[in-house]
Amino acid sequence: DIVMTQSPDSLAVSLGERATINCKSSQTILYNSNNKNYLAWYQQKPGQPPNLLIYWASTRASGVPDRFSGSGSGTDFTLTISTLQADDMAVYYCQQYYTTPLTFGGGTKVEIQ
Amino acid sequence: QITLKESGPTLVKPTQTLTLTCTFSGFSLATNGVGVGWIRQPPGKALECLALIYSNGDKRYSPSLKSRLSVSKDTSKNQVVLTMTNMDPVDTATYYCAHQYDWADFFDYWGQGTLVTVSS
Repeated sequence: DIVMTQSPDSLAVSLGERATINCKSSQTILYNSNNKNYLAWYQQKPGQPPNLLIYWASTRASGVPDRFSGSGSGTDFTLTISTLQADDMAVYYCQQYYTTPLTFGGGTKVEIQ
Repeated sequence: QITLKESGPTLVKPTQTLTLTCTFSGFSLATNGVGVGWIRQPPGKALECLALIYSNGDKRYSPSLKSRLSVSKDTSKNQVVLTMTNMDPVDTATYYCAHQYDWADFFDYWGQGTLVTVSS
């Protein structure tokens, strides 16, 4: 199985500041034949299902604000929230879909400082 | 518009079999490249993908739970059914079904989830 490791477990950021979440895979999730990284990011608020934010490591899903961005390649990835809003308080998960079993990171809780 | 909804028991006893149904609309499992996944989340913990079923009938299971899981589809009813045998209190979780993005195994639409508690 590909293990997805997120860091930090939690972070507190002031409104308007930048939040950075890291995700590392135990093996590459870059598929050489199409040069795509098989990584997605989700946001989950309390009592709600996860909401897709980013796929192919850096493509924003429909309706996702442009303050959310994804970067990275191979085994190391980052989700950045450029200017944190109160509505961004949530837990964020990365997921690899390079191969089954599909695996998620342990989550990063973002709080307002 | 794609929607999914999970249904089934909220309480099961240890050793019993859990059967959950995902009823969806806005897409068809008769369309090539379409899939539905089951994902669970124990209270306060991370997400775990249990099973996937695709329009071509292919199925994938979590290796650690494979012996206990079965997934099936009823294309005419727009439903996917997950069964999990020999339930244990550690299986207490919110169970979600989700629509797989075309030809890629991430999930762009999710049901609201159903909390299943395993307790005697």
